[in-house]
Amino acid sequence: AQKITQTQPGMFVQEKEAVTLDCTYDTSDQSYGLFWYKQPSSGEMIFLIYQGSYDEQNATEGRYSLNFQKARKSANLVISASQLGDSAMYFCAMRPSGYSTLTFGKGTMLLVSP
Amino acid sequence: DARVTQTPRHKVTEMGQEVTMRCQPILGHNTVFWYRQTMMQGLELLAYFRNRAPLDDSGMPKDRFSAEMPDATLATLKIQPSEPRDSAVYFCASGLNPYNSPLHFGNGTRLTVT
Repeated sequence: AQKITQTQPGMFVQEKEAVTLDCTYDTSDQSYGLFWYKQPSSGEMIFLIYQGSYDEQNATEGRYSLNFQKARKSANLVISASQLGDSAMYFCAMRPSGYSTLTFGKGTMLLVSP
Repeated sequence: DARVTQTPRHKVTEMGQEVTMRCQPILGHNTVFWYRQTMMQGLELLAYFRNRAPLDDSGMPKDRFSAEMPDATLATLKIQPSEPRDSAVYFCASGLNPYNSPLHFGNGTRLTVT
């Protein structure tokens, strides 16, 4: 079974600062994908970034980057230059190769202040 | 921009009534998922279809929930009879089969059972 752990229920950051949201995972699969989703107060789930288990380089998408440490089974999301619109719930998720569903962590609520 | 379409967006019903939620996945996606989101449990997988065949519905209360894909453009989730504890946001998501493909979510159906 897969498990995703997000230990930070809430995070506060000032506008323009960088913030790291933690995610650790547990799986016995060798091949898997790691994903981050953003859920603003409007409720939709927005895909942000993907990291494959065999990818040697950390994924980046604009202001989002993923700090992937395979040996430690961690996949932390880094948001650079935070904006007020980044205030939302952020979910880490994993999709193993043998079983294609997406397992989610409990989420981290990020609040960006002016 | 291709999107997953869910209807209705909101549903208020009385206990004991039947509820049907509909989902139109993104054209070409061969996997469809139903998730339920509550404050207490987070995002839970209810059902999973690949190429319209149900692969996993272990997360669904079988006595009252049913999920079907009558064709590639329509997935349905039914609750009969509904109970107050079913109040939640129900998300449909679609994607491609490989584990390195993200799931794309609809905007969800917010269900309130009184």
